[in-house]
Amino acid sequence: DGGITQSPKYLFRKEGQNVTLSCEQNLNHDAMYWYRQDPGQGLRLIYYSQIVNDFQKGDIAEGYSVSREKKESFPLTVTSAQKNPTAFYLCASSEPRGGSYEQYFGPGTRLTVT
Amino acid sequence: RKEVEQDPGPFNVPEGATVAFNCTYSNSASQSFFWYRQDCRKEPKLLMSVYSSGNEDGRFTAQLNRASQYISLLIRDSKLSDSATYLCVVSSMNYGGSQGNLIFGKGTKLSVKP
Repeated sequence: DGGITQSPKYLFRKEGQNVTLSCEQNLNHDAMYWYRQDPGQGLRLIYYSQIVNDFQKGDIAEGYSVSREKKESFPLTVTSAQKNPTAFYLCASSEPRGGSYEQYFGPGTRLTVT
Repeated sequence: RKEVEQDPGPFNVPEGATVAFNCTYSNSASQSFFWYRQDCRKEPKLLMSVYSSGNEDGRFTAQLNRASQYISLLIRDSKLSDSATYLCVVSSMNYGGSQGNLIFGKGTKLSVKP
């Protein structure tokens, strides 16, 4: 089955700890994205990567870091510098076809920091 | 003006009703338009792309008016299973001219009652 996996589904951390969220896709998509979603809010772009070994900051990159060493993997690290890390984190991938840019999402990771 | 604006709802309708969602976007250079559906505490899933000529998929019809920068989604004969939040999504030109990045509206919540 082709798709995007994120693990774990729920994650709990103490304040001051860094935490890494996993995102893997076997869709052979070049582009991958990380979003966060807060209750009652839209998705906000954290980082994106259009190709292996390259990534760009989105709207809310402060306190986050990423790497893209392999096409299928795009892990996100939430650092202790992120002031409000508790959120629903969603990873997505896309492959432009005919000028269309649908993104497909993983099931998400709910991070709670106390 | 917000980049993508939707009525937050909620829309509470009886089964069998026809319901319309509206969305406006601010960037006239946007080229790709979508409707996503998000169930409670789940990831967004692509419902349909929106084309200039309008398109239909079963009970769902999407329309695009580029001159007014307006997108709509019509659901006919609504089912209990249509209950979800519907996200209007527009491609972004904010990132180096890349059309691959998307801007998500906050969504309109639909509740279909028996």
